[in-house]
Order: sequence, then C-alpha cells, then structure tokens
Amino acid sequence: AQRVTQPEKLLSVFKGAPVELKCNYSYSGSPELFWYVQYSRQRLQLLLRHISRESIKGFTADLNKGETSFHLKKPFAQEEDSAMYYCALSGGGSSYKLIFGSGTRLLVRP
Amino acid sequence: KAGVTQTPRYLIKTRGQQVTLSCSPISGHRSVSWYQQTPGQGLQFLFEYFSETQRNKGNFPGRFSGRQFSNSRSEMNVSTLELGDSALYLCASSERQGNYGYTFGSGTRLTVV
Repeated sequence: AQRVTQPEKLLSVFKGAPVELKCNYSYSGSPELFWYVQYSRQRLQLLLRHISRESIKGFTADLNKGETSFHLKKPFAQEEDSAMYYCALSGGGSSYKLIFGSGTRLLVRP
Repeated sequence: KAGVTQTPRYLIKTRGQQVTLSCSPISGHRSVSWYQQTPGQGLQFLFEYFSETQRNKGNFPGRFSGRQFSNSRSEMNVSTLELGDSALYLCASSERQGNYGYTFGSGTRLTVV
C-alpha cells in the first residue's frame, strides 16, 4: 500500500537550531517525493521536490531509497520557518495524484 | 499570472442538499486535482483531470463527482450532503502532466449543517 508517515505532529526548536522533519514512505515502485508547506493563513505551497535536488529557503531533503525516507533538513531554523509541513508521494504512471502525510507543525521559538 | 482560483470561498449547506465547487487553474495549466482536507483525515485525494479526462479517482463514495472543461476549468459536485462532508476542498493545477508539483488554491470551506 502507498503510504506516507510523518511521525511527529509537532516539532519545537529554538531559533538557530538545526531542524529535521521526518518522512518515511511505503511504495513498491519508484515514487516522486515532495515537501509542501503551509504558513499561517496561507495556501499550501510546494517547498521542494526530490527530483530537482534543490535547496529552497535553506531547506534540503535527500531521498534514501534504502530507508524509504525523505527527511527535510535545515541547519539553522528561523522564526519565519514556523509552519505546517507535509511530505507527499506521487507514484507516477498516468496519474500523479499526491498521497500526503499527516503533517508536522514546526514551531521555531525566539 | 493569477493563481489557482476557487469559488466560493465559504459555503454552508444543509444535509441532503448538493453543492458544486469551482476551480480555475493557472493559465496554461492543463492538469487539475482536487483534495479534501479535514482535521481527522488530513489531505485526501479526490480526483485528477488532464485535458478533460479523469486520470484517477480517490476512495470516495459516488456522491462525489467532478469534471474538467475544455478551458481546463474544473468543477466538483457533492450530492446528498452529509455532516462528514464538512471540510476544506482544495484544487491544485500543474503546468503539464508530470511530477513537477502542483500549485494549490486557497480552497472552499464547506460546512454541512
């Protein structure tokens, strides 16, 4: 079964501390993985996708197929990073529907 | 470019009624998907359309239906509303069919009373 697991509902860190938001997935083929972010009172927006191997707002994520993980990392958290983060999987083929994890709320304290 | 536009923003309906939600994708985007967001179930996939064809349908009852028009605009319909249909319904569009990530609208907040 296709599934995305984000084990932490809430992650609270101090400003300047490193951040790691965990994401594990279950999929039999080669999925595409994404991170979406939702800031307070804003719409859900794409943060990054594994296929691009990019860094957005200082965040990076590496796909580890052996551990079936796609953890989101940032070396120094900023208060403006406080938001809801969703990991999502797309299976490819003729359909690109997204399967979302339950989300992790990141709270960066001053 | 204008973003993904969903109308209406808020809707209150009575059990048993039906509702139609509208989505206008970003100009040039031909792929449209719909998602339901609730506190209990999170974000769940409803439909996916590309060039007026439904590519995939989520695990929702037949009361949920949708369509896409030739101008890529999309609508979804829920008939015989139930209290549990109360949710934020999100529409997302993509520039082309492919895993390039979707751009989401602000959603329609549906409340069934």
